[in-house]
Amino acid sequence: EVQLVQSGAEVKEPGESLKISCKGSGYSFSSYWIGWVRQMPGKGLEWMGIIYPGDSDTRYSPSFQGQVTISAAKSISTAYLQWSSLKASDTAMYYCARLGEPITTLSWFDPWGQGTLVIVSS
Amino acid sequence: DIQMTQSPSTLSASVGDRVIITCRASQSISTWLAWYQQKPGEAPNLLIHRASNVKSGVPSRFSGSGSGTVFTLTISSLQPDDFATYYCQHYDTYSGTFGQGTKVEIK
Repeated sequence: EVQLVQSGAEVKEPGESLKISCKGSGYSFSSYWIGWVRQMPGKGLEWMGIIYPGDSDTRYSPSFQGQVTISAAKSISTAYLQWSSLKASDTAMYYCARLGEPITTLSWFDPWGQGTLVIVSS
Repeated sequence: DIQMTQSPSTLSASVGDRVIITCRASQSISTWLAWYQQKPGEAPNLLIHRASNVKSGVPSRFSGSGSGTVFTLTISSLQPDDFATYYCQHYDTYSGTFGQGTKVEIK
């Protein structure tokens, strides 16, 4: 079974750094792009960016370029989303999701991780 | 950037109703479109990809159609489990853009 398991909820203060994770299993981790999607409280889905673990090729939405860093460690089948200095406006649920077809970026998200809630508050 | 606009934003319907949700792209996207269902407190789940391909295991009451700039998600006979929020998504080589979502509520 293809599965993505994300790290647990985080409560941080503004200005702190954070790295959340997404571990894939049940498939060839290096061969599929993985993406991150933000959902702010009560709001819709926002595409943040994607990474190809095979060579770490990364593509960001202009809205998130420079605000977060997406990375992957293919040896442990894990993708990451990282902030160097959190803001209150980063409070949201963050989902990782694998693209549905190997190699190509022209693909939908399937499956999804369970989500990681990030709360940034002083 | 391509914008995706869903209508309506909220839809009130009864069990057994035929429900149609529309997604419009600001420019032609061929059939590079997916539909997802999200229930409260859960991650989204894929329903349809490439505009009309229903994911294996998804009930046959769900269908998708369209190409170019106008797409529809149809639920032929709404069931209690279908009350949720639905999102369309355009995906391309360098980005992916979601519609703002359509909440299907109980009438």
